[in-house]
Amino acid sequence: EAGVAQSPRYKIIEKRQSVAFWCNPISGHATLYWYQQILGQGPKLLIQFQNNGVVDDSQLPKDRFSAERLKGVDSTLKIQPAKLEDSAVYLCASTQTGIQTYEQYFGPGTRLTVT
Amino acid sequence: GQNIDQPTEMTATEGAIVQINCTYQTSGFNGLFWYQQHAGEAPTFLSYNVLDGLEEKGRFSSFLSRSKGYSYLLLKELQMKDSASYLCAVRALYGQNFVFGPGTRLSVLP
Repeated sequence: EAGVAQSPRYKIIEKRQSVAFWCNPISGHATLYWYQQILGQGPKLLIQFQNNGVVDDSQLPKDRFSAERLKGVDSTLKIQPAKLEDSAVYLCASTQTGIQTYEQYFGPGTRLTVT
Repeated sequence: GQNIDQPTEMTATEGAIVQINCTYQTSGFNGLFWYQQHAGEAPTFLSYNVLDGLEEKGRFSSFLSRSKGYSYLLLKELQMKDSASYLCAVRALYGQNFVFGPGTRLSVLP
């Protein structure tokens, strides 16, 4: 079974530029999460999708961040314009709704550096 | 809202036992998870508790007390490869979202 795929793995941009991250969850996983993990901290949920609908985006800075999951499969997260404090690892995770434990499977992450 | 606390750092010796504590305050609860995260890598699932008591999984065990808002992860027969951050996460009652604690960085010394 293929895992959660993310690209790119690394990205360096200047502040005020835009950037986009892509995630392809495990096949059949209806729920997809985007997290921001700043160095030395735990992951912080940015947005949660159930199929192609948004379940929770309460912590997404909507003035600069956007995300979509148009066909209920892969997803993109965009930042425009980027700020220095956006430097972090962006993790995508998915779960298989209906399974008791709802274990999350994480992708390798995209490490973003904003200079 | 939800608040999760863990010790920032812990150190232990190879072959020893270590207990990593997690306390949480939540308006709704539907399970507590432990994840391991090696530096520069994604978190990987270790254990899950939804009822009070101890869940054992090889060298790893996790305990939950819902009335006290408390969990711990117990690692036995420590190995050097256990040096990592350990993340405690609580799943919400509705919506299935997860809130992660700050993580505990464990260093295993020879």
